[in-house]
Amino acid sequence: IVMTQSPDSLAVSLGERATINCKSSQSVLYNSNNKNYLGWYQQKPGQPPKLLIYWASFRESGVPDRFSGSGSETDFTLTISSLQAEDVAVYYCQQYYKTPQTFGQGTKLEIK
Amino acid sequence: EVHLLESGGDFVQPGGSLRLSCATSGFTFSNYAMSWVRQAPGKGLEWVSSTSASGDNTYYADSVKGRYTISRDNAKNTAFLQMNSVRAEDTATYYCAKPKGDGAYYAMDVWGQGTTVTVSS
Repeated sequence: IVMTQSPDSLAVSLGERATINCKSSQSVLYNSNNKNYLGWYQQKPGQPPKLLIYWASFRESGVPDRFSGSGSETDFTLTISSLQAEDVAVYYCQQYYKTPQTFGQGTKLEIK
Repeated sequence: EVHLLESGGDFVQPGGSLRLSCATSGFTFSNYAMSWVRQAPGKGLEWVSSTSASGDNTYYADSVKGRYTISRDNAKNTAFLQMNSVRAEDTATYYCAKPKGDGAYYAMDVWGQGTTVTVSS
């Protein structure tokens, strides 16, 4: 499954909304449990990835509520409702619906 | 607190071998699948391999199939990645990661800090 993110990079003003899109080449919705096998990760320089969102829309414990995930089947979105300085990072989507698990190419988020 | 610590990264010549380890603590290791994910310098994330909780089932990216072997020692709470016939394109930081649930098909909620492998003559 190929994961394609858009845009590749994004500059947003502090306090403004940031939106990152992720499209999968096939559906990652498992009909038997109605779950989308899609996660979002944040990676800051020199650090490992950090899980933000799983099952496409469930926020990981400890993740600020300005982060939200949406979408289903093949089209997904990560939204940061009010950008903070500490949100500067690269963001990746990942499908874990089938092996090989695959990641998007990443979206670099910067402050405008 | 759940903790993963990779080790074993090093400089290695093309065609050589290396064994990475991932020591874990803070959770019941034998209940969870484990994965390795790598990141080439300045590049994105690439899933490499996963093993089931028992170690009976293993999965590999096409790029490493036949050269890498994932294994685990549930008595020592440690996962391994044996890398053989390494190539320049295997140069990367290798992360071990734990899935959020007790199966292979979960997001990865805990990551180690990574260990660096450099393949060069």
